[in-house]
Amino acid sequence: TQLLEQSPQFLSIQEGENLTVYCNSSSVFSSLQWYRQEPGEGPVLLVTVVTGGEVKKLKRLTFQFGDARKDSSLHITAAQPGDTGLYLCAGHLTGGGNKLTFGTGTQLKVEL
Amino acid sequence: GAVVSQHPSRVICKSGTSVKIECRSLDFQATTMFWYRQFPKQSLMLMATSNEGSKATYEQGVEKDKFLINHASLTLSTLTVTSAHPEDSSFYICSARGASRTDTQYFGPGTRLTVL
Repeated sequence: TQLLEQSPQFLSIQEGENLTVYCNSSSVFSSLQWYRQEPGEGPVLLVTVVTGGEVKKLKRLTFQFGDARKDSSLHITAAQPGDTGLYLCAGHLTGGGNKLTFGTGTQLKVEL
Repeated sequence: GAVVSQHPSRVICKSGTSVKIECRSLDFQATTMFWYRQFPKQSLMLMATSNEGSKATYEQGVEKDKFLINHASLTLSTLTVTSAHPEDSSFYICSARGASRTDTQYFGPGTRLTVL
């Protein structure tokens, strides 16, 4: 059983469209991070959220941490082909020690 | 930001041979290093956690005698895949973090292992 479920698993959209990726769990996380990974490379950290209800913006990307710290979302406005990649949420479970638990991943493809 | 390197970036080996992958933190002391495995189009799966100077802690289902991890210094950890088989072919990614659990975890660029 995966602790962090992401949806959708795959998403193919046209340039200019908006999209939202969800990251859900039944467990509480002390912090949650979003990464983007391109083929053949390691994941690159986009943002870290630590407070329930927190919203962070990074240019066209908006990240939200759920009030109960069990879920998060990533919203991309006016997607561009450069946004294509594997988006991964990951978090530290409350009382979970060292481990960073990764979500199931969302593969995004933005076409011209 | 901090940089983590991996070497080699790609390796092809014959079945039955052993392969060593290096992970280095270039500008910070990595008290804790993590090794992940990733299959195509899937997420990262944690294999083991290592603290400098200590034995690695392996996740359930990961064979410690097959995936040997050494973290002898604060800037270097190695993963040796012993007696590799085709099913060990995968993308191996390391990450490194400072002493505090709240420190940022930096990821390496990954190593593509192909076992023929």
